[in-house]
Order: sequence, then structure tokens, then C-alpha cells
Amino acid sequence: EAGVAQSPRYKIIEKRQSVAFWCNPISGHATLYWYQQILGQGPKLLIQFQNNGVVDDSQLPKDRFSAERLKGVDSTLKIQPAKLEDSAVYLCASSFGDRGNTIYFGEGSWLTVV
Amino acid sequence: GDSVTQMEGPVTLSEEAFLTINCTYTATGYPSLFWYVQYPGEGLQLLLKATKADDKGSNKGFEATYRKETTSFHLEKGSVQVSDSAVYFCALSEGGSYIPTFGRGTSLIVHP
Repeated sequence: EAGVAQSPRYKIIEKRQSVAFWCNPISGHATLYWYQQILGQGPKLLIQFQNNGVVDDSQLPKDRFSAERLKGVDSTLKIQPAKLEDSAVYLCASSFGDRGNTIYFGEGSWLTVV
Repeated sequence: GDSVTQMEGPVTLSEEAFLTINCTYTATGYPSLFWYVQYPGEGLQLLLKATKADDKGSNKGFEATYRKETTSFHLEKGSVQVSDSAVYFCALSEGGSYIPTFGRGTSLIVHP
């Protein structure tokens, strides 16, 4: 079974530029998550989707971050404009449902903002 | 809000040594508790979990017991291998949601 796919794996951009990360969850998984992992810290949940609807985006900095999952499968996370403090690993994860189901993580997209 | 605190690393051990990584939690309700592992170059993986007090989660020789009285979920392994070198994250979730809130992670380095 294919795991959670993310791209690009690595990205370096200048501050104030924009960047987009793509995620393809495990087939059949209705719930999709984006986490931000800053170096030396644990991952922090940014947004949770159930199919194509947002369940929780309370930790998403909405002035610069946006995410969508238009057809309830793939998802895109965008940052515009980027700040230095956005340098982190962006982890996508998915699960069959949002309760009582193991969450599977992708390998992450590493962002460096210079 | 709910949170976990885990010991700082790195933890450096020789092969076949005993491992303990401490984790304590703060929660208002009855959380589920998890240990995740991140091997070099790989994504986070669920290592083990416990969903109620006195439950013991186990996997790959690792164990952790949900201790409500001490609000702890310490990770243990009797004999570590070089291949266990990774970053270990303690996490909790509200009730049955399984959506983890993570600690900072503890790096484990095992020398031959």
C-alpha cells in the first residue's frame, strides 16, 4: 500500500516569496492533516480536513497560510508571503477517519526561508 | 491546554543497554497517549499507544504504561540496537480522537 506522498521534499525561497506544498494521502483516507515542525520542536497541527471540508484550522496563520482539498483527495498548503520563521518541515498525514484511527505521516517537505 | 513534556536529548547508549525516555502529560480529561518514532530520512510512525489508565502499549520490544497517578507514559526497552537510533516523540490526544499533540522529541543515539 502506498504511503502519504508529499512534494517537493526540499525548497529554499527568499522571504516574501510564495511556496506551495502538495500532499496525496493514502487511498481511501477521508481525513487529512497538515503539521508544521520547527527544528527542535514537536509537530504542531495547522489544519485538519474531513473529505473536502475544514474541521479545524485554529492554528493556521490565515494571514499568510492557506490550504485546500478541493476534491477530497489531494491537498495543497500555500504560504504567501513567507517569513523567516516559516522555516520548518511541513508534514502531511492522513487517516481513515477522525476518531480511533491511526494517523499515517508522509516524509515531509523541508522549507528554508532566507 | 493539554500538553506533554519529555526529557531532553540526545540520549546516547551502547548497544544492548536499557533505555528509558521519560514523558509526563497535562490534560483536563482522559487522553490517549502515544509514542511516535522518526527514523533518519523517514516520516513519523506510530510506535505504540495506550488509551486508558494502566494500559501497556508495546511494539518492537518497546513498552510504555499509562500511569494516571503520576501522569506519565515513559518509554522503555530492555536492550537497544543501533537500528533504534531515531527521534522519539511522546504525544497525547483528546479521548478517542487520536489526533496527536506532540512533545519536543528526544533523540536516541545507539553506538555499537
